[in-house]
Parts: sequence; C-alpha cells; structure tokens
Amino acid sequence: DVKVTQSSRYLVKRTGEKVFLECVQDMDHENMFWYRQDPGLGLRLIYFSYDVKMKEKGDIPEGYSVSREKKERFSLILESASTNQTSMYLCASSLLVGEQYFGPGTRLTVT
Amino acid sequence: GQQLNQSPQSMFIQEGEDVSMNCTSSSIFNTWLWYKQDPGEGPVLLIALYKAGELTSNGRLTAQFGITRKDSFLNISASIPSDVGIYFCAGPPPGGAQKLVFGQGTRLTINP
Repeated sequence: DVKVTQSSRYLVKRTGEKVFLECVQDMDHENMFWYRQDPGLGLRLIYFSYDVKMKEKGDIPEGYSVSREKKERFSLILESASTNQTSMYLCASSLLVGEQYFGPGTRLTVT
Repeated sequence: GQQLNQSPQSMFIQEGEDVSMNCTSSSIFNTWLWYKQDPGEGPVLLIALYKAGELTSNGRLTAQFGITRKDSFLNISASIPSDVGIYFCAGPPPGGAQKLVFGQGTRLTINP
C-alpha cells in the first residue's frame, strides 16, 4: 500500500513565524502535491513537483514556497505565517496520471 | 481554476438506504476518480475509471464513467454508519495531466 506521511497532525504557530510542513512518501512516486482545504472552498492546489528540485505553482502559491531535495520528501514552507493561512494542509503523491494518494493532513492554526 | 460540479452537496439518509451522487464537467475527462474523506483525515481513493462507459465496483460502491466523458456517477448500496464522510470526484483536466481538479464534495450523513 502507498503510504504518505505528514510530519504533524496538528500545529499551532504565531503570526510571523516560519513554518515547515514535511511530507514523505514511500512508493517512489515522481509527483508530489500540496493542497489546502477550507470549508466551502474545497481542495486548492498550492504547489506541485514532478521531479527532484522541480516545482510548479498551483492555483494559490502566494505566501508559500516548497522544497524537494529528495524524491520521497516534499516540504511546504510558510515564510511568515499569517492568520489567513490557518487551514488543513494535505500532501499527496502520484505515479500514474491522475491517481493521487493523500496523507492524513496537518491542521495548522496561526494565532 | 476549473472545477467539477458535484451534486448533491449534502445528503441525509437512513442506514440501509442506497445513495447516488454525480459529477459533471463542461470539458471531456479521460479519467474519473472518486475519493472519500473521513472527518479530520486525508481523502482516500475509492475507485478509478479510465474508459467511457466503464462500470467499476469496490464492495458496496459502484462508479460509472459517463459515455459523454463529461460526467461520472457513484452509488453506494445498503449504507452503513462508516459510510459517513465527504465524497469527492476528481479528474486530470485537459492539458494538465499531472494535476487534478476536484468537485466540491458530497457530505453524507447517516441516521441510524
């Protein structure tokens, strides 16, 4: 079975802090994704990566950056957290076109 | 960005009832995916469809790839309490093979 893990299930940070969210997949997938999920807005793609050191902006990249130094690991960085970044963050990976496998999510609260 | 139109947005049913939901798009899709998300968890892939007209089952779940390639349907038979959650349809948009677009979800609530 594909396993996608995220470093924290719950995280509380203060406004202005730098925040790192880590995601690791164990199935040698090429593609990795970061989404945020908010009530009424569904799943929105922040960034994705189709290879090591490669990244592409999704629909809402502002205020975020990413890093992919190793194939199995994809990090989401909030350079200066703000309250409007309070959300559920979901990481996913895929090998085939379409089929993405999600991690359990990180619920981030910025106060 | 492009989204899929999923309906209904929510359903309140009795345990044991059958459930139907659907997803439509203005564009042709070559793949349809159905996910379920339990409260506080990430979405889990239930069924993947790759061919127009395809009908695929996974236990009590059955999904169909519409013949026009612009819609898909998910049915759940004889619902049980653990079916509660949000069901999402998704698919790779035209020209954006590595990404997915998602429906807004159907929230299923079951009264025992």
